[in-house]
Amino acid sequence: DTEVTQTPKHLVMGMTNKKSLKCEQHMGHRAMYWYKQKAKKPPELMFVYSYEKLSINESVPSRFSPECPNSSLLNLHLHALQPEDSALYLCASSQLDSPLHFGNGTRLTVT
Amino acid sequence: LAKTTQPISMDSYEGQEVNITCSHNNIATNDYITWYQQFPSQGPRFIIQGYKTKVTNEVASLFIPADRKSSTLSLPRVSLSDTAVYYCLVGDGPYNQGGKLIFGQGTELSVKP
Repeated sequence: DTEVTQTPKHLVMGMTNKKSLKCEQHMGHRAMYWYKQKAKKPPELMFVYSYEKLSINESVPSRFSPECPNSSLLNLHLHALQPEDSALYLCASSQLDSPLHFGNGTRLTVT
Repeated sequence: LAKTTQPISMDSYEGQEVNITCSHNNIATNDYITWYQQFPSQGPRFIIQGYKTKVTNEVASLFIPADRKSSTLSLPRVSLSDTAVYYCLVGDGPYNQGGKLIFGQGTELSVKP
């Protein structure tokens, strides 16, 4: 079991669809992260939120739009994705002085 | 950010001690060394973190020489369930303080019966 919950577990979407990935934690962590992981590759950092403000954007294309509505929730809005965006999307949270806690990810397939 | 280099894969047998070494030649004064473990279709899980010398917890030990240009994760008496990918990371400050945490290529450990 993980303390960071990601939904959905699997998502299939077409290139013209709009969808959202959701992440929730109730550990009181004030930093939240999105990572993207392709098969047999390490996780790649996409975004970091600190105290609900976007603090790091790793030059991610605008078809990925993060949102942090409150300290427990993190969303990733997807629009006009490409097949090469198919990957495992991982959410993580941490206090500023603690290790990252990861969810088990959303497996995204873009058709 | 300091780049890390680890072996791509390692094989071991149950009950053996496994040592995975990570090189980080450009480590900065403020950088800490952190190791994560990842099973297939799961998110990475924190194992251990250190700054210098030796750190030990209930699952692993981390050895860091005085020059800090490398570190070694030691897993005592591995079991089949330790088969996973192990990532070495170097980041600014303890637990990277909400900043960038960049994963290296990882070491795929396979434990055989």
